[in-house]
Amino acid sequence: GAVVSQHPSRVICKSGTSVKIECRSLDFQATTMFWYRQFPKQSLMLMATSNEGSKATYEQGVEKDKFLINHASLTLSTLTVTSAHPEDSSFYICSARGGGQYEQYFGPGTRLTVT
Amino acid sequence: GNSVTQMEGPVTLSEEAFLTINCTYTATGYPSLFWYVQYPGEGLQLLLKATKADDKGSNKGFEATYRKETTSFHLEKGSVQVSDSAVYFCALISNTGNQFYFGTGTSLTVIP
Repeated sequence: GAVVSQHPSRVICKSGTSVKIECRSLDFQATTMFWYRQFPKQSLMLMATSNEGSKATYEQGVEKDKFLINHASLTLSTLTVTSAHPEDSSFYICSARGGGQYEQYFGPGTRLTVT
Repeated sequence: GNSVTQMEGPVTLSEEAFLTINCTYTATGYPSLFWYVQYPGEGLQLLLKATKADDKGSNKGFEATYRKETTSFHLEKGSVQVSDSAVYFCALISNTGNQFYFGTGTSLTVIP
């Protein structure tokens, strides 16, 4: 089946630094990738949708200058949390969808802790 | 609009007990319905899905039937195991859009 990987699985960074999270589709071409954020014991919140080669579409309330999304190829999207603060600590999950399909395949998630 | 309402947890059951987690939805068009499972510290895994009314999704002993008349997609398992302890999310995707709508998740703990 379709596999999506994320790297790193866990990252700890200091306040004020930037962190990049990678999302890769391993065995299919992902025309669309999605980034979600999950707070403890809560559901997933869609942050943004990105189509390969286009600018990401951000959901209301998500700061596009803080959460930079790049979808440069059909197998890779990156989320960069810039000038991270402790309140950015969360579980970030990506998902990917191939062309002509509706189903999304989820990555295993990245646990970000900002100290 | 689109939304998913899930039974609130946490749910604690003894091993071999019967499980039901209720899920109802509101959607435009004809959505596809999903149950995802999230084990501690991990991402979401697709458990089962149904793409049209009266379809039954099943996997690993779990079942859910797409009921259009009651706009429901309740998750059931006849005999739970300790290894089923996880958080379960009901979700839909509308056939007119590309966004998933998730319920708030139901935490299940199965005790020996």
